[in-house]
Amino acid sequence: TQLLEQSPQFLSIQEGENLTVYCNSSSVFSSLQWYRQEPGEGPVLLVTVVTGGEVKKLKRLTFQFGDARKDSSLHITAAQTGDTGLYLCAGARGSGNTGKLIFGQGTTLQVKP
Amino acid sequence: DAGVTQSPTHLIKTRGQQVTLRCSPKSGHDTVSWYQQALGQGPQFIFQYYEEEERQRGNFPDRFSGHQFPNYSSELNVNALLLGDSALYLCASRKGRYWGEAFFGQGTRLTVV
Repeated sequence: TQLLEQSPQFLSIQEGENLTVYCNSSSVFSSLQWYRQEPGEGPVLLVTVVTGGEVKKLKRLTFQFGDARKDSSLHITAAQTGDTGLYLCAGARGSGNTGKLIFGQGTTLQVKP
Repeated sequence: DAGVTQSPTHLIKTRGQQVTLRCSPKSGHDTVSWYQQALGQGPQFIFQYYEEEERQRGNFPDRFSGHQFPNYSSELNVNALLLGDSALYLCASRKGRYWGEAFFGQGTRLTVV
């Protein structure tokens, strides 16, 4: 059973387009993190969201945590070829961040020039 | 400031053999977690080490074991290797057992033939 479902699993778009990646669960998370991973490398942390309804912006990337802390989204505006990679959401459960991250299966993004 | 470093980067082993992977955490970090990432999937939590003890464990058999040293570095050992153990093994470190963001190493690509 996948606790965190990401959609879509694959996305191929042209440079300049906008896109949104979704991360959904029936479980509540105390925090949720988004990572970007390139082939042969480890995941690199993009953002952590903690409060329900929280919105964080990182240049052209906008992250939102659902009000009930069960879901999150990543929106990229005017995608660039450098945005290509695997995007992973990961949640921490419990009253504290117990150290165990539950990952979604990832969204592979390809941005074509 | 060196981030999380893992060694070796690539490894090929034969079924039935044993393997040891190593991880040095980011400076100032004292908690190390290990993850297994199969091709095309999100990472799966193996276990977490804090104060030289295994504190939390994911759904992995006893063939997977680990150790943390006084300098906070860690090893992951896998015995009786199976073909299905082929994966990217990721080490993540954080400051503190419960809170703090996790930073990942580049991973060790293990291939079992």
